Amino acid sequence: GQQVMQIPQYQHVQEGEDFTTYCNSSTTLSNIQWYKQRPGGHPVFLIQLVKSGEVKKQKRLTFQFGEAKKNSSLHITATQTTDVGTYFCAGPTSGTYKYIFGTGTRLKVLA
Amino acid sequence: NAGVTQTPKFQVLKTGQSMTLQCAQDMNHEYMSWYRQDPGMGLRLIHYSVGAGITDQGEVPNGYNVSRSTTEDFPLRLLSAAPSQTSVYFCASSAYRGPQIYEQYFGPGTRLTVT
Repeated sequence: GQQVMQIPQYQHVQEGEDFTTYCNSSTTLSNIQWYKQRPGGHPVFLIQLVKSGEVKKQKRLTFQFGEAKKNSSLHITATQTTDVGTYFCAGPTSGTYKYIFGTGTRLKVLA
Repeated sequence: NAGVTQTPKFQVLKTGQSMTLQCAQDMNHEYMSWYRQDPGMGLRLIHYSVGAGITDQGEVPNGYNVSRSTTEDFPLRLLSAAPSQTSVYFCASSAYRGPQIYEQYFGPGTRLTVT
């Protein structure tokens, strides 16, 4: 079945450093969603990308959707302690409403 | 708006017991779903629904039943609890149009322990 992998699994950065997480799907995705989950919390929606090659920015966060629509990335510039959490990507199984979540990248920011 | 609410917040069951996790949303979303999250893991889809009377299986449906009699409510039933079902359960809802769902709003979760 469809698999969605994320790398790295963990990342520790010093506050102010940049951070990138990569999401790779075994199949082409019609769209991809990104979520952030704080420790002990629930996932919170960040963004949805639909178009091939799409790039969207939210303040210090930059999201990209690959040309082949099989991969995506989230880049955070100048991390802050408030960025701590696990970042998940999620995409639908082809032709269905079944959203498969990636394995997640846990970010720790050291002050 | 309350958004997505889940009850209970915590539950301990003995092996073989059954129970229902409740989920409700007040955003008039047609799409609702149940996920489980095991420690240090991602979310796995259990069941989902695209409207009242319509449900379908996700990645890990075995041992769980759902029904959708109203737009607002989407309960998840554990038929005979097993220790492997110890997890955090999240309910989510979303608007959708055609082949695409939009932002998923998650509830606060139910932490279930099966002994």
